[in-house]
Amino acid sequence: DAKTTQPPSMDCAEGRAANLPCNHSTISGNEYVYWYRQIHSQGPQYIIHGLKNNETNEMASLIITEDRKSSTLILPHATLRDTAVYYCIVRVDTDKLIFGTGTRLQVFP
Amino acid sequence: GAVVSQHPSWVICKSGTSVKIECRSLDFQATTMFWYRQFPKQSLMLMATSNEGSKATYEQGVEKDKFLINHASLTLSTLTVTSAHPEDSSFYICSARTGQVSYFGPGTRLTVL
Repeated sequence: DAKTTQPPSMDCAEGRAANLPCNHSTISGNEYVYWYRQIHSQGPQYIIHGLKNNETNEMASLIITEDRKSSTLILPHATLRDTAVYYCIVRVDTDKLIFGTGTRLQVFP
Repeated sequence: GAVVSQHPSWVICKSGTSVKIECRSLDFQATTMFWYRQFPKQSLMLMATSNEGSKATYEQGVEKDKFLINHASLTLSTLTVTSAHPEDSSFYICSARTGQVSYFGPGTRLTVL
């Protein structure tokens, strides 16, 4: 079973920041938080991952709370191409990825 | 990021035939690859973990005799759906791990008539 809880859907206006929350209250000390997204009929795309520090790359920022029980993925300037299902997954870095139901993000003009 | 390819991207076959799907890591070596299946409007379901040079590990409820996995090299894993039936029609996706990150292929859509 997935160890995370995400809202089923969210909307975001184009050009605005999209903040996608994820709860992982049972996360273990050696489990990372990973974010992937899946655009319709494609394979999932890796976005970012982190252990306890906040992380940023060219796609997004990952904010992990101090107690590590929740995190937020931030897309700073959402575009229509960011419309996808976003998955938050926790796992030990060499373990398998178990997908939950994710958040369907709809970016509108 | 690293690139993972799958072939074919789609396949249509008759019931009772076998279908082989290839998964390749193009710019890295992967000792471990994973196979997933996704039905319409559902999330990805892990089927098995493929380890180079050893037997695959199947998730509970996945028939190992029906879904044959071979991981003969560090860049290639294959999934063979044997004696396919219409209920096997699905989107099959592989992933390959390098370091802490798993990268996914584009998927193969299987339709069994």
